[in-house]
Amino acid sequence: DSGVTQTPKHLITATGQRVTLRCSPRSGDLSVYWYQQSLDQGLQFLIQYYNGEERAKGNILERFSAQQFPDLHSELNLSSLELGDSALYFCASSVTSGGAEQFFGPGTRLTVL
Amino acid sequence: GENVEQHPSTLSVQEGDSAVIKCTYSDSASNYFPWYKQELGKRPQLIIDIRSNVGEKKDQRIAVTLNKTAKHFSLHITETQPEDSAVYFCAASKSRGSQGNLIFGKGTKLSVKP
Repeated sequence: DSGVTQTPKHLITATGQRVTLRCSPRSGDLSVYWYQQSLDQGLQFLIQYYNGEERAKGNILERFSAQQFPDLHSELNLSSLELGDSALYFCASSVTSGGAEQFFGPGTRLTVL
Repeated sequence: GENVEQHPSTLSVQEGDSAVIKCTYSDSASNYFPWYKQELGKRPQLIIDIRSNVGEKKDQRIAVTLNKTAKHFSLHITETQPEDSAVYFCAASKSRGSQGNLIFGKGTKLSVKP
């Protein structure tokens, strides 16, 4: 157990819908990173927050957004869902903003039907 | 941007043999190189990492080497055991300042046959 928690574990929804994925970092970690894992694209970085502020953006679609709250938990919002959005979504946390020693949560498996 | 190539994509070894997985990176500014192990349906687990000011790091049966000039780094697992079977990912990061996103290789599926 890495200490990073994610909810829900599984999510099944329909195309066009909107979902919210939640992540709580390890105690003391200020950085949260979101990654998408699909069979054809591997692990892809989406976005990073550090102490409530956005710090880095990867290939995140405009339909996706995220935020980090004062208690440091983070939410990833996915809207206008498409079949291709089906994937495992992981969050990771680290103490610093520099990215070393990132510990991953158990992931949320999103299935879009 | 950074690109990380990982080879081989699959690797099968006999229990007790050694396994080596190699990665190359493109951005010479990258300075942090972790390795993750992912079992089926589970989270990626950090197993070892190395920074650019170090050439080699060992932790029991696992070692990582880094060649900055050639921009490649490798994971070495000795005395492999069936429980080492998993997908291994290398990654690279410019771990400085305020950004630290990891760029991952495509993964190597390691199978250790008893």
